[in-house]
Amino acid sequence: QVQLVESGGGVVQPGGSLRLACAGSGFTFRSYGMHWVRQAPGKGLEWAAFIRYDEENKYYVDSVKGRFTISRDNSKSTLYLQMNSLRAEDTAVYYCVKDGTEYGDYEDYYYMDVWGKGTTVTVSS
Amino acid sequence: QTVVTQEPSFSVSPGGTVTLTCGLSSGSVSPRFYPSWYQQTPGQAPRTLIYNTNTRSSGVPDRFSGSILGNKAALSITGAQAEDDSDYYCVLYMGGGIWVFGGGTKLTVL
Repeated sequence: QVQLVESGGGVVQPGGSLRLACAGSGFTFRSYGMHWVRQAPGKGLEWAAFIRYDEENKYYVDSVKGRFTISRDNSKSTLYLQMNSLRAEDTAVYYCVKDGTEYGDYEDYYYMDVWGKGTTVTVSS
Repeated sequence: QTVVTQEPSFSVSPGGTVTLTCGLSSGSVSPRFYPSWYQQTPGQAPRTLIYNTNTRSSGVPDRFSGSILGNKAALSITGAQAEDDSDYYCVLYMGGGIWVFGGGTKLTVL
């Protein structure tokens, strides 16, 4: 059974840093791209970042570019999100999401497949 | 700035049919945007329903279906049940490694 477990959330002051982690199991982690999706309190979902299966390409929503870095350690089946220069508007539940396309698939369908339960980040003084 | 539009809210009677839509502030949605749909109940993580316009994710009941209607992507629920009372989000792939969520539709089944 595919499982994604996020950790690392907490309360941090504006301008501070936090590193989220997501441990994957039940699938060949190194063969799938991975996303971070966030949800501010009472708001909708927002795609934040994506990393290819081989870490060769990384993509970000404009609002986090230059502040957040997505990375992965395939030997540990773990996804990371390093968040620097945090702002109040970064307060959200952060979900780790497995992409739906496996490396080697005939076609890419560009969707989010399996979701973790999320970890909460609160940026407040 | 690309905005993905969804109805803020919708209601349906139990057993009824409802169609939620997903559009663009500028332009038309087509299969090349690989529209996908997600369901979220309060306090829970989202669940994937539909991808690639009309492919149901594993374990999703066949009362959920996806399509393109006119210039929008659409999610239809035929024979709505009480447990379908949820928030529904569409996502469009914009190319270049960028995905954009719609604002979500709060569906009430009553």
